[in-house]
Amino acid sequence: GAVVSQHPSWVICKSGTSVKIECRSLDFQATTMFWYRQFPKQSLMLMATSNEGSKATYEQGVEKDKFLINHASLTLSTLTVTSAHPEDSSFYICSARDSGLDHEQYFGPGTRLTVT
Amino acid sequence: GQNIDQPTEMTATEGAIVQINCTYQTSGFNGLFWYQQHAGEAPTFLSYNVLDGLEEKGRFSSFLSRSKGYSYLLLKELQMKDSASYLCAVMDSNYQLIWGAGTKLIIKP
Repeated sequence: GAVVSQHPSWVICKSGTSVKIECRSLDFQATTMFWYRQFPKQSLMLMATSNEGSKATYEQGVEKDKFLINHASLTLSTLTVTSAHPEDSSFYICSARDSGLDHEQYFGPGTRLTVT
Repeated sequence: GQNIDQPTEMTATEGAIVQINCTYQTSGFNGLFWYQQHAGEAPTFLSYNVLDGLEEKGRFSSFLSRSKGYSYLLLKELQMKDSASYLCAVMDSNYQLIWGAGTKLIIKP
């Protein structure tokens, strides 16, 4: 089956620093990837849609200058949390849509970010 | 607006059957998904319904009625490992997933 990886799986950083999270589709091409954030005991919240070769589309209320998304190839999208603050601590999950199938969407294992 | 409703929490007994309901109102419809999510982990795909009716996959079945904007996930022969949150999501006309808040299922021995 389709596999999506995320790196790192967890990270602790100091307030004010930046953190980059990678999302890779390992055995399929993904023109579209999605970045989600999930706070404890809450559902997934879509942050942005990442399209290969073009600018990401951000959801309302998500700061594009704070959460930088780059989708440079058909198998890799990155999310950089810039100038992280403790309130950015969350579980970040990416998913990738198989280019050949409209409805198939596969999730990465998630990255737990803790900002101290 | 777009809305997905599902119960916040349900409790069931090991070996029993439980049905988790989901109702939706979305801009367009390109299918309904059920995902399972254990605490601290990413969601895993359970089922996809785009046509009315029942889809059976082992102990799990999913039902869809598009005219009623309604779906349910049926879990049979419950096992302790089924304790998790179950997320209902609808793909809208833009192929974006609209997520419900999830139903936390607690299985008791």
